[in-house]
Amino acid sequence: ILNVEQSPQSLHVQEGDSTNFTCSFPSSNFYALHWYRWETAKSPEALFVMTLNGDEKKKGRISATLNTKEGYSYLYIKGSQPEDSATYLCAFSNYQLIWGAGTKLIIKP
Amino acid sequence: DTGVSQDPRHKITKRGQNVTFRCDPISEHNRLYWYRQTLGQGPEFLTYFQNEAQLEKSRLLSDRFSAERPKGSFSTLEIQRTEQGDSAMYLCASSPPGTSDEQYFGPGTRLTVT
Repeated sequence: ILNVEQSPQSLHVQEGDSTNFTCSFPSSNFYALHWYRWETAKSPEALFVMTLNGDEKKKGRISATLNTKEGYSYLYIKGSQPEDSATYLCAFSNYQLIWGAGTKLIIKP
Repeated sequence: DTGVSQDPRHKITKRGQNVTFRCDPISEHNRLYWYRQTLGQGPEFLTYFQNEAQLEKSRLLSDRFSAERPKGSFSTLEIQRTEQGDSAMYLCASSPPGTSDEQYFGPGTRLTVT
């Protein structure tokens, strides 16, 4: 059974601080790794799709790295803002997406 | 709005009743997915359509669940004889033709079975 693990489950961060969290996935039969942000009462929104070992992607203050050999990806948020509060989901792709349970990020003003 | 839409957004039903949800994908997207998400969990795959063909169905899906996409556009998900354990958020997503598996999600239908 393919398993995607995210840690921590939840995270409280002071506004202005930087933070990061982890997605672990099977290292075999890798196709792609997706990061999504899911804000309350909204649709999950795609952040990054990463396919190559060593990939680094960046969108504003958010960036992600990928290590397919060891099966992990990190998501970084620099200078957290209240609007960053959301659940961050990763999904591992072989021929369908296998989702992690998410990291719930709460930014404290 | 050209995103994925779902209807209804919320549904409260009594145990034993049947419910049907609708998903309208982005118009040029040929792939459509249904997921279920419960509190504290990631989305759980239910089923997948490519055009009108249902190509994959989770073995976790009981016989009470059925999905259709008769014309390759909108899709419906029906749950018969609902149980309290069916209470969840039901998400629909679509993907365009091609090799990218990036999915675009609808807002979901929250089902509460009382």
